[in-house]
Amino acid sequence: SQQGEEDPQALSIQEGENATMNCSYKTSINNLQWYRQNSGRGLVHLILIRSNEREKHSGRLRVTLDTSKKSSSLLITASRAADTASYFCATEGGTASKLTFGTGTRLQVTL
Amino acid sequence: EPEVTQTPSHQVTQMGQEVILRCVPISNHLYFYWYRQILGQKVEFLVSFYNNEISEKSEIFDDQFSVERPDGSNFTLKIRSTKLEDSAMYFCASSVIGSMNTEAFFGQGTRLTVV
Repeated sequence: SQQGEEDPQALSIQEGENATMNCSYKTSINNLQWYRQNSGRGLVHLILIRSNEREKHSGRLRVTLDTSKKSSSLLITASRAADTASYFCATEGGTASKLTFGTGTRLQVTL
Repeated sequence: EPEVTQTPSHQVTQMGQEVILRCVPISNHLYFYWYRQILGQKVEFLVSFYNNEISEKSEIFDDQFSVERPDGSNFTLKIRSTKLEDSAMYFCASSVIGSMNTEAFFGQGTRLTVV
């Protein structure tokens, strides 16, 4: 698989439920970042976790990083309809600030 | 809140024509980037730019592409002779510094359609 593969590709949940998205990567990294993209719009930075960190929280977001397994997960708790978007992981490694994006997870939150 | 702005939001051009995509990075940022996203595919790195020079470029960024910072605020991507496969969303980004663990801020993108 390529650097930054995410699963599932698509996820449909009901409002109030938690959403978990996973990302795997292949090479060593400096950090891993999660971005959100509403349909046809720009990328919004959500959270950055450094390679020496294992878990990070920001509001309803919880990100974990397991460098031994080269994987990360993004948990959105108590989801809302407004969370409907595509979510991408992006890794930064080696060259400063060049991001390698994953394939993305399309999240649909229904009322 | 400061943001990266891109113009135009949508550009339609004929194959073989030159296009210039414009970006205004956040004012105190020093590193600038272009990424592109072909419909339904991954966001791909094109080029990074610092101190009026290209820092790094990908295989996609061939001789048809060039970047410029013509003045103190704009950052442009030029495609000299567009091809159908250049149709994509082009994102500009900027960051304060280019070192590790620095957040990059993205613009809303320019959708380029080559016909």
